[in-house]
Amino acid sequence: EVQLVETGGGLIQPGGSLRLSCAASGFTVSSNYMSWVRQAPGKGLEWVSVIYSGGSTYYADSVKGRFTISRDNSKNTLYLQMNSLRAEDTAVYYCARDGITGTTWAFDIWGQGTMVTVSS
Amino acid sequence: QSVLTQPPSVSGAPGQRVTISCTGSSSNIGAGYDVHWYQQLPGTAPKLLIYGNSNRPSGVPDRFSGSKSGTSASLAITGLQAEDEADYYCQSYDSSLSGSRVVFGGGTKLTVL
Repeated sequence: EVQLVETGGGLIQPGGSLRLSCAASGFTVSSNYMSWVRQAPGKGLEWVSVIYSGGSTYYADSVKGRFTISRDNSKNTLYLQMNSLRAEDTAVYYCARDGITGTTWAFDIWGQGTMVTVSS
Repeated sequence: QSVLTQPPSVSGAPGQRVTISCTGSSSNIGAGYDVHWYQQLPGTAPKLLIYGNSNRPSGVPDRFSGSKSGTSASLAITGLQAEDEADYYCQSYDSSLSGSRVVFGGGTKLTVL
């Protein structure tokens, strides 16, 4: 079965760090563009970051310089290292696969999400 | 404020047809980037509903359809059913002098009366 499972969320103080993991099964992470998308409580979706199959990475301005996306090919897992966390980073974080042939940026597989709460 | 503009809410009775608009600009939809639509049921992850402006993934009923014209796109749902009550998001890509990024609409809450 093709699926993504996120872990690593939790309650963290402002200024702290957290690493989210997204374990994939049924497909190869390194062969796809993989993104993180977040959703603040009661709000809409916000794209956070992408790692291309070739390894290039890109970030939303709101997290640039604080978040780092990476992957471990041997574990078929995607990561999001989040540093200098702020209250406005509080959200459910989803990992998603851009996997539709013939178009780009269509997220066909999503994880269940992991909640990150930044609060003192 | 979202780069793509959607109405906050729409409603319809069972069996009726509703449409949800998604208005962009020359740096995203108008630039030729594809529009995708997602359905998010309460407490769950988004689900891809329409990709590449008008294509349905396997398993999505043909009651759902998408279209794109100029700087806008729309999602139509015919034969409205109670289980269609959810939040709907459009998504595209934006590229301008200030940079490039994936962009979402603010979301539309569909209420089935």
